[in-house]
Amino acid sequence: EAGVVQSPRYKIIEKKQPVAFWCNPISGHNTLYWYRQNLGQGPELLIRYENEEAVDDSQLPKDRFSAERLKGVDSTLKIQPAELGDSAVYLCASSFPGGRGTDTQYFGPGTRLTVL
Amino acid sequence: SQQGEEDPQALSIQEGENATMNCSYKTSINNLQWYRQNSGRGLVHLILIRSNEREKHSGRLRVTLDTSKKSSSLLITASRAADTASYFCATYDMRFGAGTRLTVKP
Repeated sequence: EAGVVQSPRYKIIEKKQPVAFWCNPISGHNTLYWYRQNLGQGPELLIRYENEEAVDDSQLPKDRFSAERLKGVDSTLKIQPAELGDSAVYLCASSFPGGRGTDTQYFGPGTRLTVL
Repeated sequence: SQQGEEDPQALSIQEGENATMNCSYKTSINNLQWYRQNSGRGLVHLILIRSNEREKHSGRLRVTLDTSKKSSSLLITASRAADTASYFCATYDMRFGAGTRLTVKP
């Protein structure tokens, strides 16, 4: 079974530029999460989807971050414009069937973003 | 905001010794999960303990849960160098703590 796929694995951009991350969850997993992990810290939940619906986006900085999950499968996380403080690893995870902390999450390898 | 908080922040032991790390949380939970993250790699689920369970085992891992104290502990017995990693607890809505960095010396 294929795991959670993320791309790109690494991204270097200059501040004020836009950037997008893509995630393909495990087939059949209807819950998808995006996290941001700073060096030496635990993952910080940004947004959680149940199918196409964003059910928890309370931690998403909505002035510059946006996310979408078309057709309840793949998801894209976008930052526009990027700031120096956005440098981090962005992790995607998925779970089945209903999330809410009752099911095992499977994490992708992450995208390491460096903002110069 | 972070939900789980791990303690200690860092732990260094010799191979073969046991390692214990703790997690405290703030609100009521349905369950608590422990994850491991090796250097430069993604997070891997280790074990889930439900709120009505007090102890759970998986191989060399033993997890306890005390809901009255809002705390959990993860014990790794007979540690190996390959156990070197960061360990995180995660609670309801999957909020993680800062983790315990475990180093197992050969």
